Amino acid sequence: EIVLTQSPATLSLSPGERATLSCRASQSVSSYLAWYQQKPGQAPRLLIYDASNRATGIPARFSGSGSGTDFTLTISSLEPEDFAVYYCHQRGNWPETFGGGTKVEIK
Amino acid sequence: QVQLQESGPGLVKPSETLSLTCTVSGGSMTGYYWSWIRQPPGKGLEWLGHIYYSGSTDYIPSLKSRLTVSVDTSKNQFSLRLSSVTAADSAVYYCARFGSYSSRWFLDYWGQGTLVTVSS
Repeated sequence: EIVLTQSPATLSLSPGERATLSCRASQSVSSYLAWYQQKPGQAPRLLIYDASNRATGIPARFSGSGSGTDFTLTISSLEPEDFAVYYCHQRGNWPETFGGGTKVEIK
Repeated sequence: QVQLQESGPGLVKPSETLSLTCTVSGGSMTGYYWSWIRQPPGKGLEWLGHIYYSGSTDYIPSLKSRLTVSVDTSKNQFSLRLSSVTAADSAVYYCARFGSYSSRWFLDYWGQGTLVTVSS
């Protein structure tokens, strides 16, 4: 089973700052990786698919990069609504797995 | 706009079977995979299994002996049955759709989730 390790576990930043989230896979998953945003009491929302493609309606400040084992989600300038938990999800190797999440909190 | 809604008991006794249904509205089930994911309170997400609209299934190995996912396209519903539950199965259960993106599949629509507690 592929283990996805997300770091850091918590990221404390101020609005307007840049956020860089990491997701590392224990084996290659090609680019078959997505990023989701989850706010308290809500379902996850698809942000990025296939490692670097923004889903419909996702603002341009969100970008994804990487392939193989190392992936990054970048939020170029944090808006108040961006403070949430972010999960990566791989489907490149069976069974599919999620990372443990990174919480982006207001500093 | 596709919408998914989970329904089922919020409380299940240990050793009994947890049954949930997901009703899909605003779109057809044809051509898509439909999935169940759970999230224990305060913890991360776990994919449980999915079913293609035609009925083929795939399950997480750790639950394969206890888990059944079925589909009824005439009702626009798919269901989860998890047998012999324990407290470790307490979680928010989400149903979700896999949408196709350049021949790859990603979870693009989710239900709001339903909390299931296993307790006597």
